[in-house]
Amino acid sequence: GQQLNQSPQSMFIQEGEDVSMNCTSSSIFNTWLWYKQDPGEGPVLLIALYKAGELTSNGRLTAQFGITRKDSFLNISASIPSDVGIYFCAGQRNNDMRFGAGTRLTVKP
Amino acid sequence: KAGVTQTPRYLIKTRGQQVTLSCSPISGHRSVSWYQQTPGQGLQFLFEYFSETQRNKGNFPGRFSGRQFSNSRSEMNVSTLELGDSALYLCASSLAGWGAGNEQFFGPGTRLTVL
Repeated sequence: GQQLNQSPQSMFIQEGEDVSMNCTSSSIFNTWLWYKQDPGEGPVLLIALYKAGELTSNGRLTAQFGITRKDSFLNISASIPSDVGIYFCAGQRNNDMRFGAGTRLTVKP
Repeated sequence: KAGVTQTPRYLIKTRGQQVTLSCSPISGHRSVSWYQQTPGQGLQFLFEYFSETQRNKGNFPGRFSGRQFSNSRSEMNVSTLELGDSALYLCASSLAGWGAGNEQFFGPGTRLTVL
């Protein structure tokens, strides 16, 4: 099935900078999820969004569920070296769950 | 509370063989989902089990099958392995499925290499 469109594919930033990534879809979802995956490990849930327009924070991370229910974004403020990894979005509706291809984040100290 | 565990962590098989992977969910979680992750296709949903029944299924051939036991532990089996089956296989558990209040927690994965 069609996966989600996640951008950018990769980012190289300086420590302390803010980061923004987003996911879009042609389909509506009831839930948007953001995960982070470190090499050799499974994805770890960062933020879950359940209502259109919802804005949720988890420490330096902020994510929003788009009003159209077809998109979501994730912001990371004041990045630190341990933010390095691959960030995935996931959209969920009924029995359907799709993932973005991931955004690979590199943070230079 | 212990997280999701998967065994084995690494596996090497040859074409034509079959393989069984195991997943133990977080205690109290009754839903287990399986995913295949490859560099080319990303994360793709295989199937979900709840209370020993397959409830959802992704778009994979019948060579991929699974089951869930009464203690919620789940196994995934791949028969007649092909080179393209090389991937990281992830399982995720949640309380009762997908949706609000049922966030999925992933295990570390099993890295399968088919030679």
